[in-house]
Amino acid sequence: AQTVTQSQPEMSVQEAETVTLSCTYDTSESDYYLFWYKQPPSRQMILVIRQEAYKQQNATENRFSVNFQKAAKSFSLKISDSQLGDAAMYFCAYSYGGATNKLIFGTGTLLAVQP
Amino acid sequence: GAGVSQSPSNKVTEKGKDVELRCDPISGHTALYWYRQSLGQGLEFLIYFQGNSAPDKSGLPSDRFSAERTGGSVSTLTIQRTQQEDSAVYLCASSLTPRDQPGELFFGEGSRLTVL
Repeated sequence: AQTVTQSQPEMSVQEAETVTLSCTYDTSESDYYLFWYKQPPSRQMILVIRQEAYKQQNATENRFSVNFQKAAKSFSLKISDSQLGDAAMYFCAYSYGGATNKLIFGTGTLLAVQP
Repeated sequence: GAGVSQSPSNKVTEKGKDVELRCDPISGHTALYWYRQSLGQGLEFLIYFQGNSAPDKSGLPSDRFSAERTGGSVSTLTIQRTQQEDSAVYLCASSLTPRDQPGELFFGEGSRLTVL
């Protein structure tokens, strides 16, 4: 069974600094997708970034980038130039695609941004 | 609507009562998902709808939980004879056909259920 592990329950970063959130996963599939979702206090989950496993190039979205290590089954999120609005719970998620979009989530990392 | 809408936002009920949680997905989204988020936990998959059928209901924790979707749109999650361990935030999400947008789910703000 696929699993997603986030070993950092909480992280803190100074405004304008860089922070990296860790995620590891386990799967026997060769093609799959990985995601980072953000959940602010409003509770509404928002997709931050997506990585297709068949792509070697790491995905980037403005200040957000990932370090995808397929062999190590590692998928970390780097947030550059952290802003107060980045404070939220971040969830790493996995999907093997297929007929459904079912996502398997990690337990989340609560990120605090200090002014 | 512009986004996924869920109601009620908050629900407090007594143990043993039945509750219904409603989800109105984004117009045109054929796929609909229910997840449960308990305090300190990640999101636990409950059920997936494609149109009005539910090809994957593997996450429903017991037969007290059921869900339906009508007209390929609104979905209702029903919990019968609620227990205190049912207390959680129930999140609904919708998406286009999975083949078109793998993994990109649009979530509602959730319904927070508290069972006393």
